[in-house]
Amino acid sequence: DVVMTQSPLSLPVTLGQPASISCRSSQSLVHSDGNTYLNWFHQRPGQSPRRLIYKVSNRDSGVPDRFSGSGSGTDFTLKISRVEAEDVGIYYCMQGTHWPPTFGQGTWVDIK
Amino acid sequence: EVQLVESGGALVQPGGSLRLSCAASGFTFSSYWMSWVRQAPGKGLEWVANIKEDGSLQNYVDSVKGRFTISRDNAKNSLYLQMNSPTAEDTAVYYCVRGGGRGVSDPWGQGTLVTVSS
Repeated sequence: DVVMTQSPLSLPVTLGQPASISCRSSQSLVHSDGNTYLNWFHQRPGQSPRRLIYKVSNRDSGVPDRFSGSGSGTDFTLKISRVEAEDVGIYYCMQGTHWPPTFGQGTWVDIK
Repeated sequence: EVQLVESGGALVQPGGSLRLSCAASGFTFSSYWMSWVRQAPGKGLEWVANIKEDGSLQNYVDSVKGRFTISRDNAKNSLYLQMNSPTAEDTAVYYCVRGGGRGVSDPWGQGTLVTVSS
Protein backbone atom coordinates (compact mmCIF):
# COMPACT_ATOMS: atom_id res chain seq x y z
CA ASP A 1 0.00 0.00 0.00
CA VAL A 2 1.08 3.59 -0.58
CA VAL A 3 2.30 5.15 2.66
CA MET A 4 1.35 8.77 3.24
CA THR A 5 3.54 10.66 5.70
CA GLN A 6 2.42 13.99 7.11
CA SER A 7 4.43 16.57 9.02
CA PRO A 8 4.17 18.04 11.49
CA LEU A 9 1.77 15.84 13.46
CA SER A 10 0.90 18.72 15.78
CA LEU A 11 0.73 22.37 14.75
CA PRO A 12 -0.10 25.09 17.28
CA VAL A 13 -0.83 28.32 15.43
CA THR A 14 -1.66 31.92 16.28
CA LEU A 15 -4.96 33.29 15.00
CA GLY A 16 -4.41 35.25 11.81
CA GLN A 17 -1.05 33.63 11.10
CA PRO A 18 -0.29 31.20 8.26
CA ALA A 19 0.01 27.44 8.62
CA SER A 20 1.47 24.76 6.39
CA ILE A 21 1.21 20.96 6.39
CA SER A 22 3.40 18.66 4.35
CA CYS A 23 2.38 15.30 2.92
CA ARG A 24 4.72 12.84 1.19
CA SER A 25 3.78 9.62 -0.56
CA SER A 26 5.90 6.47 -0.90
CA GLN A 27 5.08 6.30 -4.63
CA SER A 28 4.23 8.80 -7.30
CA LEU A 29 0.55 9.75 -7.24
CA VAL A 30 0.37 10.51 -10.96
CA HIS A 31 -2.29 8.20 -12.41
CA SER A 32 -2.08 6.72 -15.91
CA ASP A 33 -4.93 9.06 -16.87
CA GLY A 34 -2.66 12.02 -16.14
CA ASN A 35 -4.43 13.14 -12.98
CA THR A 36 -2.92 13.24 -9.49
CA TYR A 37 -5.50 12.07 -6.97
CA LEU A 38 -4.35 13.77 -3.81
CA ASN A 39 -7.04 15.12 -1.48
CA TRP A 40 -7.05 17.03 1.80
CA PHE A 41 -9.69 16.53 4.50
CA HIS A 42 -10.51 18.39 7.70
CA GLN A 43 -12.09 16.67 10.69
CA ARG A 44 -13.39 18.70 13.61
CA PRO A 45 -13.71 16.93 16.98
CA GLY A 46 -16.78 14.70 17.03
CA GLN A 47 -17.52 15.25 13.34
CA SER A 48 -16.98 13.30 10.16
CA PRO A 49 -14.21 14.36 7.76
CA ARG A 50 -14.97 17.00 5.16
CA ARG A 51 -13.00 17.26 1.94
CA LEU A 52 -11.31 20.62 1.37
CA ILE A 53 -9.09 20.04 -1.65
CA TYR A 54 -9.19 17.47 -4.46
CA LYS A 55 -6.66 16.62 -7.17
CA VAL A 56 -3.88 18.54 -5.39
CA SER A 57 -5.13 22.09 -5.73
CA ASN A 58 -8.88 22.27 -6.39
CA ARG A 59 -10.97 23.73 -3.57
CA ASP A 60 -14.32 22.10 -2.86
CA SER A 61 -17.46 24.21 -2.96
CA GLY A 62 -17.81 26.40 0.11
CA VAL A 63 -14.17 26.06 1.17
CA PRO A 64 -12.68 29.48 2.01
CA ASP A 65 -9.96 30.73 -0.31
CA ARG A 66 -7.51 30.93 2.60
CA PHE A 67 -7.01 27.20 1.98
CA SER A 68 -4.72 26.21 -0.88
CA GLY A 69 -3.09 23.00 -2.03
CA SER A 70 0.01 22.48 -4.10
CA GLY A 71 2.60 19.89 -5.05
CA SER A 72 3.33 17.15 -7.53
CA GLY A 73 4.58 13.58 -7.77
CA THR A 74 5.23 12.57 -4.17
CA ASP A 75 5.38 15.92 -2.38
CA PHE A 76 2.32 17.95 -1.43
CA THR A 77 1.41 20.88 0.82
CA LEU A 78 -1.73 22.34 2.34
CA LYS A 79 -1.53 25.99 3.31
CA ILE A 80 -3.83 28.15 5.36
CA SER A 81 -3.06 31.80 4.70
CA ARG A 82 -4.58 33.16 7.92
CA VAL A 83 -5.78 30.68 10.51
CA GLU A 84 -9.23 31.24 12.00
CA ALA A 85 -10.74 29.63 15.11
CA GLU A 86 -12.96 27.34 13.02
CA ASP A 87 -9.87 25.78 11.41
CA VAL A 88 -8.94 23.75 14.48
CA GLY A 89 -9.06 20.00 14.11
CA ILE A 90 -7.20 17.25 12.29
CA TYR A 91 -6.10 17.54 8.68
CA TYR A 92 -5.53 14.40 6.60
CA CYS A 93 -4.02 14.00 3.18
CA MET A 94 -5.33 11.06 1.16
CA GLN A 95 -4.24 9.44 -2.08
CA GLY A 96 -6.77 7.88 -4.44
CA THR A 97 -4.42 7.00 -7.29
CA HIS A 98 -3.55 3.48 -6.09
CA TRP A 99 -5.82 0.88 -4.47
CA PRO A 100 -6.46 0.98 -1.58
CA PRO A 101 -6.80 4.70 -1.00
CA THR A 102 -4.63 5.61 1.98
CA PHE A 103 -4.46 8.48 4.43
CA GLY A 104 -1.72 10.29 6.25
CA GLN A 105 -1.56 10.00 10.05
CA GLY A 106 -3.25 13.35 10.47
CA THR A 107 -2.01 16.76 11.66
CA TRP A 108 -3.66 18.26 14.72
CA VAL A 109 -4.04 22.02 14.32
CA ASP A 110 -4.96 24.04 17.38
CA ILE A 111 -4.75 27.64 18.52
CA LYS A 112 -1.85 28.78 20.70
CA GLU B 1 -28.84 18.54 -0.21
CA VAL B 2 -26.66 15.45 -0.48
CA GLN B 3 -27.13 13.26 2.60
CA LEU B 4 -25.73 9.93 3.73
CA VAL B 5 -27.17 8.35 6.87
CA GLU B 6 -25.58 5.22 8.29
CA SER B 7 -27.26 2.76 10.63
CA GLY B 8 -26.75 -0.70 12.05
CA GLY B 9 -23.74 -0.13 14.28
CA ALA B 10 -23.82 -2.17 17.49
CA LEU B 11 -21.90 -4.26 19.97
CA VAL B 12 -21.11 -7.58 18.32
CA GLN B 13 -19.23 -10.60 19.60
CA PRO B 14 -16.03 -11.76 17.91
CA GLY B 15 -16.97 -14.26 15.23
CA GLY B 16 -20.52 -12.92 14.96
CA SER B 17 -22.03 -10.91 12.13
CA LEU B 18 -23.44 -7.46 11.54
CA ARG B 19 -24.93 -5.55 8.61
CA LEU B 20 -24.44 -1.83 8.20
CA SER B 21 -26.70 0.28 6.02
CA CYS B 22 -26.37 3.70 4.43
CA ALA B 23 -29.37 5.61 3.10
CA ALA B 24 -28.49 8.11 0.39
CA SER B 25 -30.50 11.12 -0.76
CA GLY B 26 -30.09 14.35 -2.68
CA PHE B 27 -28.19 12.90 -5.64
CA THR B 28 -28.48 10.21 -8.32
CA PHE B 29 -27.21 7.29 -6.26
CA SER B 30 -26.90 4.91 -9.21
CA SER B 31 -24.41 7.25 -10.91
CA TYR B 32 -21.71 7.04 -8.23
CA TRP B 33 -19.24 4.59 -6.87
CA MET B 34 -19.75 4.27 -3.12
CA SER B 35 -17.42 3.33 -0.29
CA TRP B 36 -17.07 2.45 3.37
CA VAL B 37 -14.25 4.05 5.37
CA ARG B 38 -13.56 3.35 9.03
CA GLN B 39 -11.86 5.08 11.94
CA ALA B 40 -10.82 3.14 15.03
CA PRO B 41 -11.30 5.05 18.33
CA GLY B 42 -8.70 7.80 18.55
CA LYS B 43 -7.01 6.58 15.36
CA GLY B 44 -6.68 7.51 11.72
CA LEU B 45 -8.75 6.63 8.66
CA GLU B 46 -8.82 3.37 6.66
CA TRP B 47 -10.62 2.82 3.35
CA VAL B 48 -12.44 -0.50 3.73
CA ALA B 49 -14.23 -1.20 0.44
CA ASN B 50 -15.82 0.36 -2.60
CA ILE B 51 -18.42 -0.69 -5.15
CA LYS B 52 -19.08 0.36 -8.73
CA GLU B 53 -22.21 2.25 -9.78
CA ASP B 54 -24.08 -0.86 -10.94
CA GLY B 55 -22.67 -3.15 -8.24
CA SER B 56 -20.69 -5.23 -10.73
CA LEU B 57 -17.29 -4.58 -9.17
CA GLN B 58 -16.13 -4.43 -5.57
CA ASN B 59 -12.72 -3.81 -4.03
CA TYR B 60 -11.61 -4.55 -0.47
CA VAL B 61 -8.65 -3.69 1.72
CA ASP B 62 -6.68 -6.84 2.53
CA SER B 63 -7.61 -6.83 6.23
CA VAL B 64 -11.30 -7.45 5.49
CA LYS B 65 -11.13 -9.56 2.33
CA GLY B 66 -13.16 -12.74 2.65
CA ARG B 67 -14.99 -11.48 5.75
CA PHE B 68 -16.78 -8.28 4.67
CA THR B 69 -19.09 -7.83 1.68
CA ILE B 70 -20.11 -4.48 0.23
CA SER B 71 -23.35 -4.32 -1.75
CA ARG B 72 -25.92 -1.82 -2.92
CA ASP B 73 -29.57 -1.54 -3.91
CA ASN B 74 -29.96 1.27 -6.41
CA ALA B 75 -33.75 1.01 -6.33
CA LYS B 76 -33.61 1.82 -2.60
CA ASN B 77 -30.69 4.28 -2.79
CA SER B 78 -28.92 2.18 -0.20
CA LEU B 79 -25.42 0.90 0.47
CA TYR B 80 -24.61 -2.03 2.75
CA LEU B 81 -21.65 -3.62 4.49
CA GLN B 82 -22.05 -7.21 5.68
CA MET B 83 -19.47 -7.90 8.38
CA ASN B 84 -18.80 -11.57 9.13
CA SER B 85 -16.36 -12.96 11.67
CA PRO B 86 -15.36 -9.55 13.02
CA THR B 87 -12.46 -9.21 15.42
CA ALA B 88 -11.54 -6.57 17.98
CA GLU B 89 -9.44 -4.87 15.26
CA ASP B 90 -12.67 -4.11 13.36
CA THR B 91 -13.93 -1.88 16.19
CA ALA B 92 -14.41 1.53 14.61
CA VAL B 93 -16.78 4.21 13.41
CA TYR B 94 -17.82 3.22 9.89
CA TYR B 95 -18.50 6.02 7.42
CA CYS B 96 -20.45 5.80 4.19
CA VAL B 97 -18.77 7.93 1.50
CA ARG B 98 -19.94 9.00 -1.94
CA GLY B 99 -17.28 8.03 -4.43
CA GLY B 100 -14.77 5.25 -4.89
CA GLY B 101 -11.73 7.04 -3.60
CA ARG B 102 -10.13 8.05 -6.86
CA GLY B 103 -12.47 10.77 -8.07
CA VAL B 104 -15.37 11.81 -5.90
CA SER B 105 -14.74 11.21 -2.20
CA ASP B 106 -17.30 13.47 -0.54
CA PRO B 107 -19.51 13.83 1.38
CA TRP B 108 -19.26 11.46 4.30
CA GLY B 109 -22.09 10.33 6.52
CA GLN B 110 -22.09 10.92 10.26
CA GLY B 111 -20.80 7.41 10.92
CA THR B 112 -22.04 4.41 12.87
CA LEU B 113 -20.06 2.78 15.70
CA VAL B 114 -19.23 -0.91 15.62
CA THR B 115 -17.76 -2.41 18.78
CA VAL B 116 -16.45 -5.97 18.65
CA SER B 117 -16.15 -7.42 22.11
CA SER B 118 -17.20 -10.42 24.14
